[in-house]
Amino acid sequence: DTGVSQNPRHKITKRGQNVTFRCDPISEHNRLYWYRQTLGQGPEFLTYFQNEAQLEKSRLLSDRFSAERPKGSFSTLEIQRTEQGDSAMYLCASTLLGTRGSLANYGYTFGSGTRLTVV
Amino acid sequence: AQKITQTQPGMFVQEKEAVTLDCTYDTSDQSYGLFWYKQPSSGEMIFLIYQGSYDEQNATEGRYSLNFQKARKSANLVISASQLGDSAMYFCAMRGIIQGAQKLVFGQGTRLTINP
Repeated sequence: DTGVSQNPRHKITKRGQNVTFRCDPISEHNRLYWYRQTLGQGPEFLTYFQNEAQLEKSRLLSDRFSAERPKGSFSTLEIQRTEQGDSAMYLCASTLLGTRGSLANYGYTFGSGTRLTVV
Repeated sequence: AQKITQTQPGMFVQEKEAVTLDCTYDTSDQSYGLFWYKQPSSGEMIFLIYQGSYDEQNATEGRYSLNFQKARKSANLVISASQLGDSAMYFCAMRGIIQGAQKLVFGQGTRLTINP
């Protein structure tokens, strides 16, 4: 397992189209996070999963956004009816939450991201 | 709410010099963790160093060290003997150590350029 994998790396879409991104986390990691990063800014939290359960969604995640993590493995992030303001880098990260609730691994491993351009 | 402030949009340093990247934070949590990440132009976020709020010693990882001043709520990154490959965006981030999302909150970043 070489790390967190995200596909596609780049996506150009027309306004109003739907897009779906995929994230494959490190296999033993039980937590998976999605972040959005616009140009010149730091990443902003969108949502996270513990195993297959989606436990929190940011207010940034409008109803056009939906994320899933079936069977607690890979995750998908779908954006419906894309808008130009959705243009950003979408980053996925995974980590392992220890059995006693503290993070067994301090580090979050990030993927290389999917850069979305809405034209 | 947690907040990270990085006040240096850009830094220019000569190769082999040491550089300090500033980070201040605000949180009401008693326990928290502070992180530094490097983001090259390729986009991936590379973990550099971690400091827990109860760690008594400043964290070090090779050429990276974290100057942690809890009373001042600052967590500056020090890179010794800078190299051309250090040119990248650098982000400071924090996470509360409580049950829940334990999500990272990032600052706006500092773009570091190493000149030959």
